[in-house]
Amino acid sequence: DAGVTQSPTHLIKTRGQQVTLRCSPKSGHDTVSWYQQALGQGPQFIFQYYEEEERQRGNFPDRFSGHQFPNYSSELNVNALLLGDSALYLCASSKRTSLDWEKLFFGSGTQLSVL
Amino acid sequence: DQQVKQNSPSLSVQEGRISILNCDYTNSMFDYFLWYKKYPAEGPTFLISISSIKDKNEDGRFTVFLNKSAKHLSLHIVPSQPGDSAVYFCAASWGASYDKVIFGPGTSLSVIP
Repeated sequence: DAGVTQSPTHLIKTRGQQVTLRCSPKSGHDTVSWYQQALGQGPQFIFQYYEEEERQRGNFPDRFSGHQFPNYSSELNVNALLLGDSALYLCASSKRTSLDWEKLFFGSGTQLSVL
Repeated sequence: DQQVKQNSPSLSVQEGRISILNCDYTNSMFDYFLWYKKYPAEGPTFLISISSIKDKNEDGRFTVFLNKSAKHLSLHIVPSQPGDSAVYFCAASWGASYDKVIFGPGTSLSVIP
């Protein structure tokens, strides 16, 4: 049973560029959440997708957008990249109707470096 | 405004002794709390959780204690093993609303053989 998979694992971009990160949730999961983890910090919630809609959003600018597809996979898009966007981007999946939906399963992340 | 706080960035413990990791929260709406463990180059993995209707939950060597009046929880690891060396994140959510899970900044635990 595949867990949460993210691609790519590493990415280098320059300021002003746009980036798309991808995530496939764990089999049986229908909810995808994206987190940004800066060096030495805890994961910061970006947004959550369920039924192809953004359900919750953290304190991130509109440059951060996402999408969820009918097969539950998800993309995170970041426009007009800033140096401060350099971080590990984590995707987490869960099953919304489960009694323990908070028990998120994480991928290994995409390390984004903005130069 | 950091809603979940872990005031100790790091902790060192001898193998076989008890590790105690602390966490404080500010949002009284939180009703479900979790601990995650993270090794380098891996995503966090779920460790143990506790609902606000309980004050203690055990799973093998791991026990989480919740003090709602103090808005404080702690994770006890007994006995500590070198493989427990990792970053531990405290997290919280308002489960009734399928709200987002909020993470603390983490505590790096080193278990010394």
